[in-house]
Amino acid sequence: GAVVSQHPSWVICKSGTSVKIECRSLDFQATTMFWYRQFPKQSLMLMATSNEGSKATYEQGVEKDKFLINHASLTLSTLTVTSAHPEDSSFYICSARFSTRGIYEQYFGPGTRLTVT
Amino acid sequence: RKEVEQDPGPFNVPEGATVAFNCTYSNSASQSFFWYRQDCRKEPKLLMSVYSSGNEDGRFTAQLNRASQYISLLIRDSKLSDSATYLCVVTSMDTGRRALTFGSGTRLQVQP
Repeated sequence: GAVVSQHPSWVICKSGTSVKIECRSLDFQATTMFWYRQFPKQSLMLMATSNEGSKATYEQGVEKDKFLINHASLTLSTLTVTSAHPEDSSFYICSARFSTRGIYEQYFGPGTRLTVT
Repeated sequence: RKEVEQDPGPFNVPEGATVAFNCTYSNSASQSFFWYRQDCRKEPKLLMSVYSSGNEDGRFTAQLNRASQYISLLIRDSKLSDSATYLCVVTSMDTGRRALTFGSGTRLQVQP
């Protein structure tokens, strides 16, 4: 299957700092990228959807000014958690999607574990 | 009501057992259905798609009942390596925006 990478795989930061997470599709061009968040023992929750070159669409309850998403190219999307707080500690997973002959395929990155102290 | 509901488990079964997971979804317009597997502290990985006619992949069988809005996954001859969380996933046809909607997952622990 297609490969999606994320960097960093884990990060520990102090409260009030900003953290940038990169998501790359390595061997395909992703028309759409998704950002999910997963708290312990809970399901993945979609945070936002981004299409290359346009503004991200955020799910209800997700603050767009806190979680900045940039999808500058067909292979790279970034999520910046601004002024992180301990409650932002979570597992952040990106997913990249492309279509071939009308069939959509979606692949996940390995995730970034964020701990805010 | 959650869009996708699953029994959280855990299901503790001995090696070789047959185990079945169920999932219900609330959006009757849902068109695509999947089972994903997620290992601890890892990303979800696609296990299999679920088709209306039902489908089988080795020891795994998936069934879809659109009338009841119900999906199932059957695992035969369980292996220790099957221990993981199994996520039921649905998506609508509005794929221009809509991403996958995940259930909360059912945890399986296969014991020797």
